[in-house]
Formats: sequence, structure tokens, C-alpha cells
Amino acid sequence: AQSVTQLGSHVSVSEGALVLLRCNYSSSVPPYLFWYVQYPNQGLQLLLKYTSAATLVKGINGFEAEFKKSETSFHLTKPSAHMSDAAEYFCAVSGFGNEKLTFGTGTRLTIIP
Amino acid sequence: DSGVTQTPKHLITATGQRVTLRCSPRSGDLSVYWYQQSLDQGLQFLIQYYNGEERAKGNILERFSAQQFPDLHSELNLSSLELGDSALYFCASSSGRPQETQYFGPGTRLLVL
Repeated sequence: AQSVTQLGSHVSVSEGALVLLRCNYSSSVPPYLFWYVQYPNQGLQLLLKYTSAATLVKGINGFEAEFKKSETSFHLTKPSAHMSDAAEYFCAVSGFGNEKLTFGTGTRLTIIP
Repeated sequence: DSGVTQTPKHLITATGQRVTLRCSPRSGDLSVYWYQQSLDQGLQFLIQYYNGEERAKGNILERFSAQQFPDLHSELNLSSLELGDSALYFCASSSGRPQETQYFGPGTRLLVL
């Protein structure tokens, strides 16, 4: 079975500050890990994904995430927050032979001007 | 724009009724996934079709059914609707390989009164 846990349902950061959204995974097989973003009244858009190549993954809009097997983590970071980053962020996991995405509960990111 | 289209965007119906949600995948994608997003259950995988055949099943109620047609579009049928079925229903498509990105449509918002 696969699962992800997102710590913090709400995160607030000041504009220009570091964004850190936490995700820990559990998987009995090598995982594929994803971060999706959902803007209000929209669908989900892929930010980045880990598929067992490089452990540091760069995505769109300046986001990146690092796969740490020893910590079973895949935290999402951005060095400098922008007002347009305000959205809900979902971590998800899938695995070889099991393509369905299992999502975390989401983290709502608020940017303080 | 992800290339995945869903119709209708909004649906308001009454308890006990039946509705059909439609999804057209991205050009070339063989796999279609249905997900439900609700406040209490979060984002949950319902069912996956690959090239017309059911490939995986998640937490899909017996009152719900889906199919994928030869032109690869998919329909999700929800019957004997209950208040608790009110949710956002997403369709996603991919090539079907495990590590490949699932591209999400804009969703259908269902309100059961």
C-alpha cells in the first residue's frame, strides 16, 4: 500500500520568504512522487515529479523538491514566495504496476504581502 | 490548458437522480482516470481505464460506473444520487505508463440537493 502525509494543512509565508511544504511517503515499492498545485476553481497542475532519476527535482514556477529515501520525504521548496503562489498544493504517490495517484490531504499556502 | 476536457462544468440535481459526466483525454493518451474531490474525503481515486478496458478500481461505490469508448473518451455514471455525492469530479489522462504524468481536466462540480 502507498500513502503520503502532508504536514500542515495551512501554511502562511511572507512575500519573498522561503516556501517549505512537507510531504512524507510510505510505499512498499520504489515510489513515483508528484507535487500538484490547484488554484481556486481549477483543476490540478503538475509542478514536478520524481521517477527515480535525479533526487533533486526542479519544477515549474521556481519550485523544487528533494527525494530523501532515508527520511521517506519529498518536501517542496521555493526560495522566494510570490503572491501568485497562493494555492492548494497536493503531494501524491504512485508505483510501478499501480498507476493510480494516492494524494495527501493538501496544504493551503497563503502569501502575506 | 491540460488538453483534457470535461463536460459539464457544473451540474445541479436532486437526490435519487442519475447523471453522466464526460471526459475527453489528451490526444494520444490511452489511459483515463477518475478522481473525486470532497471536503471530507479529499482527493480519491475512483477508477482507471486503459484503451477501453478497466485497469484499476479504487473507492468507487456500486452506484457509480464508468466506461471508455473506442474513441477513448470516458463517461462516469452516478446513480441513485445522495447528498454526500456532492463533490468535484476530475478526469485525468496519461499514456498509461506508471511514471508518466497524469494531466487533469478542469473538473465537473456536482451538487446534489
